[in-house]
Amino acid sequence: GAVVSQHPSRVICKSGTSVKIECRSLDFQATTMFWYRQFPKQSLMLMATSNEGSKATYEQGVEKDKFLINHASLTLSTLTVTSAHPEDSSFYICSASVGRSYEQYFGPGTRLTVT
Amino acid sequence: TQLLEQSPQFLSIQEGENLTVYCNSSSVFSSLQWYRQEPGEGPVLLVTVVTGGEVKKLKRLTFQFGDARKDSSLHITAAQPGDTGLYLCAGRNTDKLIFGTGTRLQVFP
Repeated sequence: GAVVSQHPSRVICKSGTSVKIECRSLDFQATTMFWYRQFPKQSLMLMATSNEGSKATYEQGVEKDKFLINHASLTLSTLTVTSAHPEDSSFYICSASVGRSYEQYFGPGTRLTVT
Repeated sequence: TQLLEQSPQFLSIQEGENLTVYCNSSSVFSSLQWYRQEPGEGPVLLVTVVTGGEVKKLKRLTFQFGDARKDSSLHITAAQPGDTGLYLCAGRNTDKLIFGTGTRLQVFP
């Protein structure tokens, strides 16, 4: 149980375009979803926390107008990278948690390459 | 800003050797987790430690949470090539996880 999927697994886009990444909890309802970014050979950095039906809370230094997060249902959160630039190329990972358990279940990640 | 420093950053060893990875912080965490991540995949939870001084064993892996809940260690006995990967500690702060800097382990046959 507690499976989280991400789509797409890999995406290549041109500089200036926008790209949407989906995060789904497949067999449970996630009250909270988290988005992380991981640059090559580095650790995971939390970008934002989103609760279903409310606005996401962004970490310091993360531009909320550039990284749009929508958590419209208890099983789906989306991250849209707007006006992508090569420096946005990274591995984006989502996680989901249930209620007050605080246990996070991680997705397999999405590799974004901006050319 | 809460930071979790891991050491060593890189570790390259032969099969059968023992190793210890350290995770240190100046902050207190309510719990601490260890993950292993393989290239191109999300992190996979290995263990959660909650109580200061707690020791947990998972086959050849031994995890310890410091008495003050600021640090932790991961010891692997008789490492195998299948242990190769990026090991990440993560401290919990309310509902957020703060990830450590990571230790990349390579075990050669």
